Amino acid sequence: GEDVEQSLFLSVREGDSSVINCTYTDSSSTYLYWYKQEPGAGLQLLTYIFSNMDMKQDQRLTVLLNKKDKHLSLRIADTQTGDSAIYFCAENRDDYKLSFGAGTTVTVRA
Amino acid sequence: DAGVIQSPRHEVTEMGQEVTLRCKPISGHNSLFWYRQTMMRGLELLIYFNNNVPIDDSGMPEDRFSAKMPNASFSTLKIQPSEPRDSAVYFCASSLDTSGGAGMVFGPGTRLTVL
Repeated sequence: GEDVEQSLFLSVREGDSSVINCTYTDSSSTYLYWYKQEPGAGLQLLTYIFSNMDMKQDQRLTVLLNKKDKHLSLRIADTQTGDSAIYFCAENRDDYKLSFGAGTTVTVRA
Repeated sequence: DAGVIQSPRHEVTEMGQEVTLRCKPISGHNSLFWYRQTMMRGLELLIYFNNNVPIDDSGMPEDRFSAKMPNASFSTLKIQPSEPRDSAVYFCASSLDTSGGAGMVFGPGTRLTVL
């Protein structure tokens, strides 16, 4: 996962917005993804964006893609305690292989 | 749909023992992946099957690791002999290969501890 980088920790107050950033290296990636992992569970696909898009919004989630800078971000509006988890950025390599970042641990404080 | 099913959920074994992890993918999915997650190395792809055939096993750490997929609804990952450094969470994931990663569904994982 060294080719996909993300900060390791984020602390946010309940009700505020969270922004998780990610940089990737493969400019030929077709899709970029955000996964959420809650304690003791597997990864759950939150959202994904096709590489020819700049933005995708899905309820409280907004994904921004800057293809020139190879920068991907996930914004969570009105962050809730249930949003506390590890968030993984991933890019696809070849037709099947996903390369994951190390994950950002988001802690929501009251 | 029960999702991707993995067993056991937890396994504690002693060094040198054989360990077998099991996975049942989602019905209709034709791609299956085994990942390993550790604090030090994050998520690593171990092996990828497509239509029950191993396509990419470049991530398998060494000969102690082997994986099989005898049919579309079952796969195993075996470690023989196991070592303490194999301690990790092992995830199985499946997808329909026409969906790219958008349809990749992960199982709950098997937490392996080798003493």
